[in-house]
Amino acid sequence: EVQLVQSGAEVKKPGATVKISCEVSGYTFSDSYIHWVHQAPGKGLEWVGFVDPADGETKYAEKFQGRVTIAAETSIDTAYMELRSLRSEDTAVYYCARVRGGYFQYWGQGTLVTVSS
Amino acid sequence: SYVLTQPPSVSVAPGQTARITCGGDNIEMKSVHWYQQKPGQAPVLVVYDDSDRPSGIPERFSGSKSGNTATLTISGVAAGDEADYFCQVWDSSGDHPVFGGGTKLTVL
Repeated sequence: EVQLVQSGAEVKKPGATVKISCEVSGYTFSDSYIHWVHQAPGKGLEWVGFVDPADGETKYAEKFQGRVTIAAETSIDTAYMELRSLRSEDTAVYYCARVRGGYFQYWGQGTLVTVSS
Repeated sequence: SYVLTQPPSVSVAPGQTARITCGGDNIEMKSVHWYQQKPGQAPVLVVYDDSDRPSGIPERFSGSKSGNTATLTISGVAAGDEADYFCQVWDSSGDHPVFGGGTKLTVL
């Protein structure tokens, strides 16, 4: 059974950094890209970026470029998303997902990040 | 960048058929995927590559495409189908996925 299990909720102050993990199981970690998606409260889905665990290649949405780093640690089948210089509009649920063939096949349970002073 | 347009809401009586549309330029040239998201839960893939269903998704969920519009059709709608539905394509020019704004399906 494919599973993506994310780390728990975080509360951060403006300007801080958050790092979320996504541990996968049930498939070969390096055979699929891991993408991250942002969903602000009551809003839609917004793509953040991806990592190819096979070679570490990354790509980020323009909106998050410069503040986000996505990486993969193949030894422990885990992907990470780090978001820096947090601001109130970063308050959201962040999902990791396994993507194959251009679609989001499996999703993590989501991690709520709250940015508040 | 590429834009997908969905109606904010669709309402349907139990047992009837719900149709949720997703519009985009030259969408006929792209593969369209659909996700269901219930409150407090992660999205779930219900249709991929325009009209294929993942295992475990009921046949009541189907996808189609015509002209500049893709459609998710849910037949025999039940209260458990009440959710937000998002369409998604791959923007080949920017090499990244794009989501529609989402449609809230209400079962009357």
